[in-house]
Order: sequence, then structure tokens, then C-alpha cells
Amino acid sequence: EAQVTQNPRYLITVTGKKLTVTCSQNMNHEYMSWYRQDPGLGLRQIYYSMNVEVTDKGDVPEGYKVSRKEKRNFPLILESPSPNQTSLYFCASKIGQGEYNEQFFGPGTRLTVL
Amino acid sequence: DAKTTQPNSMESNEEEPVHLPCNHSTISGTDYIHWYRQLPSQGPEYVIHGLTSNVNNRMASLAIAEDRKSSTLILHRATLRDAAVYYCILRATSGTYKYIFGTGTRLKVLA
Repeated sequence: EAQVTQNPRYLITVTGKKLTVTCSQNMNHEYMSWYRQDPGLGLRQIYYSMNVEVTDKGDVPEGYKVSRKEKRNFPLILESPSPNQTSLYFCASKIGQGEYNEQFFGPGTRLTVL
Repeated sequence: DAKTTQPNSMESNEEEPVHLPCNHSTISGTDYIHWYRQLPSQGPEYVIHGLTSNVNNRMASLAIAEDRKSSTLILHRATLRDAAVYYCILRATSGTYKYIFGTGTRLKVLA
């Protein structure tokens, strides 16, 4: 089944403890992206990647890192999480670079930073 | 950056058509208008997209104003399963792949 998977689905951590949220897609998509969703603010893009080793900042990249060493994986790294990074995170992927191609979203990761 | 404006919420009766508006007055000439929806406790899912002409698919229709500064997503017969948050999306800046989702419209469908 074509899908985007995220792990973990739920995570509670403490301030300053480095964490990684993994994202993997099995559709051979070139484009991958991370979003965060907060009440009243909708979805905001954190980082995106056009292909392996090509990444760029979205709207809210501060406090996050990403890497794209393989086409199928796009992990989101929080080197020193803070409470304002408590949020619902979504990974997405789409084929090619065409703007018209639809994005496929993962199920989300709910992160709480205490 | 481009910006979209949508009403926070709308209501519709079941089996009736729903028109969800979106204002995108800053859109560039070559950018597509995308619509996604997010059902409760799920990630967003694609609904439809268009550039200039009106578009139809099995889920919905998209009507785009002639000046492209606004668009309307049309659900022809709303069902209870269509209750979701609907997002109108543009690229932040033409030529990039940074997307602006905004806060969306929460659609409530009444039985």
C-alpha cells in the first residue's frame, strides 16, 4: 500500500533532550516536507526537500533540522526541544517537482515537550 | 509571501451543495490553487487543484475567478463524511516549493 509513515506517533519528552521523528514513504517521491499544526495557526511548513541532499526552509524552520540522505526517508530532528515545539507534526511527500502534483500526508506525530 | 483568506467556519445541511470560498489576491500568474481537507484525527488529504479554468473531479468542483484572486470549492451534495477543515493552498513565492496552508474553513454538516 502506498503510504507515508511516521514514527513515533506520540512522544512526550523534556526540554533539551534531543529527539528525531522519522518519516518514510514508499512511493519513490522526490519531494518531502514537514509541517506543524497548532490550534488557531493551521498548518505551517517547517522544511522541505526537493530530492536527496536538497533541502530548504519553510515558514517556521527555527529549532529544527532535517536531512535527506535517502530518497524514501526525511527525518525531523529537534536538537534541543523546547515547550513551544509542542505540536502535531505531519510529514508529506509528492512525486516530482511539478507544482500541480498532490501531496500525500502521514498520520501525524503528536509531540509534547515538558 | 502569498496569502490565503478563508472563513473560519461554515455550516451546511446534508445533501445540499456547499460553496467554500478562498481569497488569494496575491497569487502570481503561474501558481496553482490547491485544496486539501483534513478529517478529524487524520492528516490532510488532496481534494482538487486548478490554474485558470474551472475543474471537476469525483470529490468536488473548483471554480476560479477570471482574475484568479479568488476561488470556490464546491461540494455538490454534502454528506456527514465531508465534515472537515478545508484548506486553500498556494505556494509562498512563485518558483519555490514552500506552501502556505493558512487556518482553513471548518465545515460542519448537519443531518
